[in-house]
Amino acid sequence: DIQMTQSPSSLSASVGDRVTITCRASQSISRYLNWYQQKPGKAPRLLIHAASSLQSGVPSRFSGSGSETDYTLTISSLQPEDFATYYCQQSNNIPYTFGQGTKIEIK
Amino acid sequence: QVQLQESGPGLVKPSETLSLTCTVSGGSVGISSYYWAWIRQSPGQGLEWIASVFYTGTTYYNPSLKSRVSISVDTSNNQFSLKLTSVTAADAAVFYCVRQQIAAENFDLWGQGTLVTVSS
Repeated sequence: DIQMTQSPSSLSASVGDRVTITCRASQSISRYLNWYQQKPGKAPRLLIHAASSLQSGVPSRFSGSGSETDYTLTISSLQPEDFATYYCQQSNNIPYTFGQGTKIEIK
Repeated sequence: QVQLQESGPGLVKPSETLSLTCTVSGGSVGISSYYWAWIRQSPGQGLEWIASVFYTGTTYYNPSLKSRVSISVDTSNNQFSLKLTSVTAADAAVFYCVRQQIAAENFDLWGQGTLVTVSS
């Protein structure tokens, strides 16, 4: 199985901050990398697919980049509704696997 | 718009079979653009993909669960289902039914999730 490792596991930030989350795969996943946002008690929501393509309806402050094994999710200016947990997921190989999550908390 | 809704028992006894159904409304499971999947989330295991099914009945399973899992689709009722046999406490989780885009292989639409507890 491909292991997905996110860092950090959690971070504290303020509204307006620029935030970057990193996801590293245990082998190359050729940009088959998706990012999800999850709020407490809710299902995950797809934000970014294919490493850098913004899902329809997702604000443009979210962006993704990366290649091979290393990927990042950036929130350019953190908004109150962005405090949540974020997960990366690879779809290059079966079984599809997720990172352990990064929780963004209010500073 | 398309919505997914999980249904099934919230409590299953150890060694028994967990059975869940996902009803798709506002759209059809018979669309060639999508697979239909089950994903579970537990505090200990995080998010775990379980299986996916195409409307033709083609299936893909997580090898770690393959011996205990069966996924199926019912196009006449616009549903798909999951069976997990010989459950233990480790199988307790929130189970999500999910739409999976074939081209991008992402999970773009999720049900609200259903909590399954394993206890005698």
